[in-house]
Amino acid sequence: DADVTQTPRNRITKTGKRIMLECSQTKGHDRMYWYRQDPGLGLRLIYYSFDVKDINKGEISDGYSVSRQAQAKFSLSLESAIPNQTALYFCATSEGAGTEAFFGQGTRLTVV
Amino acid sequence: EDQVTQSPEALRLQEGESSSLNCSYTVSGLRGLFWYRQDPGKGPEFLFTLYSAGEEKEKERLKATLTKKESFLHITAPKPEDSATYLCAVMNTGFQKLVFGTGTRLLVSP
Repeated sequence: DADVTQTPRNRITKTGKRIMLECSQTKGHDRMYWYRQDPGLGLRLIYYSFDVKDINKGEISDGYSVSRQAQAKFSLSLESAIPNQTALYFCATSEGAGTEAFFGQGTRLTVV
Repeated sequence: EDQVTQSPEALRLQEGESSSLNCSYTVSGLRGLFWYRQDPGKGPEFLFTLYSAGEEKEKERLKATLTKKESFLHITAPKPEDSATYLCAVMNTGFQKLVFGTGTRLLVSP
């Protein structure tokens, strides 16, 4: 089983709809992240959480919100999806400062 | 602002033809430089972390090196299964978050 699991793997949704992407990890790490990946732009940080009570905005948080339900669970919501939120979304987790991040398999989201 | 620039954007090699990928960075204080491999449709897979200039790490046909301004990923005698996008990222001492480059797409032909 994967250490970091994302659901769904693929999703097509309509403009204006609310959608939630879910992430769970079995690494036992406190730190979790949400990134989006677009061709030519690389991976950009949306939100991050260093523990259950700590939530921080990344460089591109507008239009997104997150919830850290437990140490192992971190969900990303698009309150009102728009077409330019079409992208590949990745959840990641890391043990602590200066340590490598482990990524999930990604969610391919298409907003039509 | 921390920045990472990777070159070339794409690289095509013949099997056995060694080469290097470059990662140039600017960071206020380097906590670590990370190399990842990403296959199409999959999440990045961790390869190496380098923490200080002069450090080197090796794994099979891959060797990563670090200076104060750039890192190189050397690929020796590559095989087709080495085809992937290679991502470089830096973490600074303050914010403790990864900042990624846009990657180098490597294609190794038999």
